[in-house]
Amino acid sequence: SYELTQPPSVSVSPGQTARITCSGDALPKQYVYWYQQKPGQAPVVVIYKDSERPSGFPERFSGSSSGTTVTLTISGVQAEDEADYYCQSADSSGTLGVFGGGTKLTVL
Amino acid sequence: QVQLVESGGGVVQPGRSLRLSCAASGFTFSSYGMHWVRQAPGKGLEWVAVIWYDGSNKYYADSVKGRFTISRDNSKNTLYLQMNSLRAEDTAVYYCARGSTAPNAQPPEVWGQGTMVTVSS
Repeated sequence: SYELTQPPSVSVSPGQTARITCSGDALPKQYVYWYQQKPGQAPVVVIYKDSERPSGFPERFSGSSSGTTVTLTISGVQAEDEADYYCQSADSSGTLGVFGGGTKLTVL
Repeated sequence: QVQLVESGGGVVQPGRSLRLSCAASGFTFSSYGMHWVRQAPGKGLEWVAVIWYDGSNKYYADSVKGRFTISRDNSKNTLYLQMNSLRAEDTAVYYCARGSTAPNAQPPEVWGQGTMVTVSS
């Protein structure tokens, strides 16, 4: 079955830049969405359609894509950004959803 | 505003059935595909199923295929998940989420708060 691969964890100091990658063979064909999830809360979309940011969401969140890898970049990381981040996309046929395993972002 | 409210969760014995509902409001429900996504305690997100805006197509994760059925009633703005032959590994928070207006499994932008399902004897 189709899989998306994320690093299990990323650690950065406040003010630094965090980059979280998501890799999958179908990513050149399918959009990727990124979600932030804090403990006990539902996921919230932080980037949609690879690089679009929801209105009202901090500009320090951005997304980019290159071939089979997409990247969530958080510039000037703040303590409040500490959370789990998941990428989601669809398989090459566009009929099955798939999540990455999630990345725990730790702000040191 | 856009709102999704899940209900129907609870404790159920292995092998039994449960039906989840998701009441939608604040948008034209009949124009959007809808997803179910689950999260087992301490684990990551798992996509479960998607249904097209008009109910014409439904797709499932291998882990639930043949046991779960996604459906919708556009006249009631409600999404359903019928879960049969439940197993311990189905224990999770179940989220409904709004997908795309196009006929595909494009990821959702709006999520409900989830309902907990516990499968235990």
